[in-house]
Amino acid sequence: KAGVTQTPRYLIKTRGQQVTLSCSPISGHRSVSWYQQTPGQGLQFLFEYFSETQRNKGNFPGRFSGRQFSNSRSEMNVSTLELGDSALYLCASSFGHSNTGELFFGEGSRLTVL
Amino acid sequence: GNSVTQMEGPVTLSEEAFLTINCTYTATGYPSLFWYVQYPGEGLQLLLKATKADDKGSNKGFEATYRKETTSFHLEKGSVQVSDSAVYFCALWQGGSEKLVFGKGTKLTVNP
Repeated sequence: KAGVTQTPRYLIKTRGQQVTLSCSPISGHRSVSWYQQTPGQGLQFLFEYFSETQRNKGNFPGRFSGRQFSNSRSEMNVSTLELGDSALYLCASSFGHSNTGELFFGEGSRLTVL
Repeated sequence: GNSVTQMEGPVTLSEEAFLTINCTYTATGYPSLFWYVQYPGEGLQLLLKATKADDKGSNKGFEATYRKETTSFHLEKGSVQVSDSAVYFCALWQGGSEKLVFGKGTKLTVNP
């Protein structure tokens, strides 16, 4: 069974640009969550989607957005990039109807903003 | 709000040493508690979990007991191996929140 797949794995952008990250969940999983990991702030929750609906959102500015498609694949977008957006962005999936906290994580997309 | 505090690392041990990583939490109600592990260059993997008070989670020789009276979920292993070198995250899940709240992580290095 394939795991959670995130693309791209690495990317470099400059301030002011925007970026789109993609996540393919495990087959059959309908919930996708996104987390930002930085050395200073640790792991912080961005948002969670289930059946194309955002069920919860973390405390991030509106520059951070996401969506989920009917096949459960998800994308997140960060506009007007800032240096502080440099981070590892982790996607996680689960069955989703009644989540328990058991999430399956991808290897992440490492974003560097110059 | 909910929060998790875990001992800051890094922690360096010799092979076969005893490991304890402390974790305490603040939450309303009855959260589920987890330890996730991140090996170098990888995403997080669930190591063990406990869903109610006095539950003991265990996996791969690691154990942790959900202590409601002390709001703790300390991770222990009796004899660590070099392959246990990783970053360990304590986390809680509040039903209905759809999110994990993580501690800052503790980096463990085990030397041969």
